[in-house]
Amino acid sequence: EPEVTQTPSHQVTQMGQEVILRCVPISNHLYFYWYRQILGQKVEFLVSFYNNEISEKSEIFDDQFSVERPDGSNFTLKIRSTKLEDSAMYFCASSMRGAGGEQYFGPGTRLTVT
Amino acid sequence: AQSVTQLDSQVPVFEEAPVELRCNYSSSVSVYLFWYVQYPNQGLQLLLKYLSGSTLVKGINGFEAEFNKSQTSFHLRKPSVHISDTAEYFCAVMGSNYQLIWGAGTKLIIKP
Repeated sequence: EPEVTQTPSHQVTQMGQEVILRCVPISNHLYFYWYRQILGQKVEFLVSFYNNEISEKSEIFDDQFSVERPDGSNFTLKIRSTKLEDSAMYFCASSMRGAGGEQYFGPGTRLTVT
Repeated sequence: AQSVTQLDSQVPVFEEAPVELRCNYSSSVSVYLFWYVQYPNQGLQLLLKYLSGSTLVKGINGFEAEFNKSQTSFHLRKPSVHISDTAEYFCAVMGSNYQLIWGAGTKLIIKP
């Protein structure tokens, strides 16, 4: 069964460093998402991406964040200058359709900022 | 704006007993509702979803949920839980740009 994959599974970085989190969505999916979950807290939406552009972003997704789909298979989330409060589990998801479409989630990348 | 409230942060229940996990939502757009499960140290897996039609929705692992528009609820139920159901359960509503808006989660604790 096709699945969403994410790399790395765990990333440790120092405050102020740039990180890139990578995701390979399911191949025929058209909608892509990033969510995060700070330890012990609820899952929060970051950004959605469709037709090679951002379709929605939350207030968390400030100028330090960017997304890219560089080659038609990967979907990346970049954090330009990490802060301690960026430490969280980051989930990538993809879906075939928008309205009502089931979002399939990757296993997540645990980002630890020290 | 859409929001989701999960009224219980933890629900302890004995094995083989029934369970209900509560979820209330608010939404100003078409209502698409989801329940996801997160097993310890794993990702998020869809249990079931409500898009339209029958208000009783059946999902995987014997779970079902009932959409109640007048009470703006989407409670999750299972008639008999097993130790393997130990997990955190998240209710979510779909926003106007297809993003999921999540509740805080309910930890289901199964007592032997």
